[in-house]
Amino acid sequence: EAGVTQSPTHLIKTRGQQATLRCSPISGHTSVYWYQQALGLGLQFLLWYDEGEERNRGNFPPRFSGRQFPNYSSELNVNALELEDSALYLCASSLPGTGANVLTFGAGSRLTVL
Amino acid sequence: GNSVTQMEGPVTLSEEAFLTINCTYTATGYPSLFWYVQYPGEGLQLLLKATKADDKGSNKGFEATYRKETTSFHLEKGSVQVSDSAVYFCALSVGTGGFKTIFGAGTRLFVKA
Repeated sequence: EAGVTQSPTHLIKTRGQQATLRCSPISGHTSVYWYQQALGLGLQFLLWYDEGEERNRGNFPPRFSGRQFPNYSSELNVNALELEDSALYLCASSLPGTGANVLTFGAGSRLTVL
Repeated sequence: GNSVTQMEGPVTLSEEAFLTINCTYTATGYPSLFWYVQYPGEGLQLLLKATKADDKGSNKGFEATYRKETTSFHLEKGSVQVSDSAVYFCALSVGTGGFKTIFGAGTRLFVKA
């Protein structure tokens, strides 16, 4: 069974540009979560999608947005990039219902903003 | 609100030493508690979990007991190996049908041969 896959592995952008990160959940998982892991910091919750809808959002500005597609894959978009957006972005997926509290993570996409 | 506090690292141990990483939490309701591990260059993996008070989660020689009276979920291992070097995250989640998981800041463990 394929795990959670994320692309690209690495991405380099300059300030003001836009970045798009992608995530494919494990088959059968309908929830997708995005976390930001900045250097030296823990995981900060960004977004949660379930059944195609945004269910919850962390304390991030509106330039962080995303969506979930009918096949449950997800995109995270970061507009007007700033230097402090440089981080590892982790995607996780979970089962619906009672299995929903166990997260399976991808390896992450490392975004560098110059 | 909900939060997780874990001991700051890094923690450096010699092989076969005893490991304890402290974790305490604050939560409304009845949380499930987790330990995740992140090996270098990888995403997080679930190490163990406990869903109610007095439950003990265990995996790969690691153990943690859900202590409601002290709101703690300390991670222990009797004899660490070099391959245990990683970052360990304590986490909680509250709710059903989908919710967000709150993570601690992570504790980096170095094990020397």
